[in-house]
Parts: sequence; C-alpha cells; structure tokens
Amino acid sequence: SAVISQKPSRDICQRGTSLTIQCQVDSQVTMMFWYRQQPGQSLTLIATANQGSEATYESGFVIDKFPISRPNLTFSTLTVSNMSPEDSSIYLCSVGSYGQNEKLFFGSGTQLSVL
Amino acid sequence: QQQVKQSPQSLIVQKGGISIINCAYENTAFDYFPWYQQFPGKGPALLIAIRPDVSEKKEGRFTISFNKSAKQFSLHIMDSQPGDSATYFCAATKVSGSARQLTFGSGTQLTVLP
Repeated sequence: SAVISQKPSRDICQRGTSLTIQCQVDSQVTMMFWYRQQPGQSLTLIATANQGSEATYESGFVIDKFPISRPNLTFSTLTVSNMSPEDSSIYLCSVGSYGQNEKLFFGSGTQLSVL
Repeated sequence: QQQVKQSPQSLIVQKGGISIINCAYENTAFDYFPWYQQFPGKGPALLIAIRPDVSEKKEGRFTISFNKSAKQFSLHIMDSQPGDSATYFCAATKVSGSARQLTFGSGTQLTVLP
C-alpha cells in the first residue's frame, strides 16, 4: 500500500481566494487522482494527473477552476481557484495499486470551508 | 445517471449484530467491486474487494456476497462492534481507455451501539 501525505488537513478561506493542496506519495506512481467529497456525499473524481502531461478532467470540472500540477512521480497539487461557499468540501488525493489502479489508496483529505 | 446504487443511507445495529449494506450496478463492464471504510476526518480505506467470477469473499468478520445475474453485491459485517461505526462505500471499477474508472456508491453511515 502507498502512504499519502496531504497538506493542509483543513483550511478556512474567504470567498474569491485560492487554495493549493499538496499531495506527497512515498513511492513513484504513474497516476494520481483528485476527488471531491461534498458534506455527507460520496466521492466524485475531479481529474486524473499524469506526470509530464496535462491532467484529464471529468465532466463538470475545468482546468481554470481546478488547476493541477504533477511535476514528478511522487507529488501533485490541486488548486481550488476563485472559491465560493459551494466549494466547501473535502478534497482527497489518491493513487492506485501498481499495475491496474483498481485499488485506490487515499490521503486523509483537506477539509475546506469557504466563507 | 447513478451507476452504483447503495442502500441503506444509514444503519444502526446493536453490538454483536449483523450489518448488511447492499449495492446494485447497471454497467456489465464493471469487473472489480471494492468496499471502502471511512472514519470521520480520514480518507476512505480499502476494506475488501471481489471479482465477479466468485460469489462470496470473506475476510475476518467482513463478507462480500456477489450476485452477477442480478447485478447486486452486498457487504455483511458479522459480530458488529462499535469500532465498526463508519461510513461504508461500495464501488465498481472498469477499464476506461488506458486507465480504470472507479464509480462509488452514495455511502452508508453505520452506527453500532454498545
């Protein structure tokens, strides 16, 4: 299994500002995934981040709102831009098991509250 | 379109009882079915998983039952303990292009009373 460190663990932000969330993995991985979990809801995939290429975004999510960086095989960042209260959620970084990504390992998440 | 439907939304069980959470899927391309357990303030953790070529998988007190023809699968927690109180997500995954697409159910909040 992978050990995933995510920072910050929580933050309270003002409307209109941006927050960058960092995700560090203890091993090299090809794909890293960013999920959003709205209060009391299930997990929704935001985007898949591959090292050396543009992230692939799911329907309903756009790069201008959620820019992602993937500078190397152990690190990624997700920025939540121009935040509004509707962005208040838990944001989770995850990686798949070696080979097929069928088993996901998650970080502890970043609990974001936007005032 | 909700591809994986999970029920119940919440479940309260007495200590020592059996907790049962059900999921149903629509897409027959799904070929791997994991369950995740999430405690407050933590990310989900893989609990147990099954492939559709088996009807049951047991790991300790946790059992997955799988009915391929009905496109349904369920998690059974035997001898439920207060420490099992958490949110449980079923999921289904299939190959999508060069990667795998994971679809989560809506979650079940389990409370085990002491």
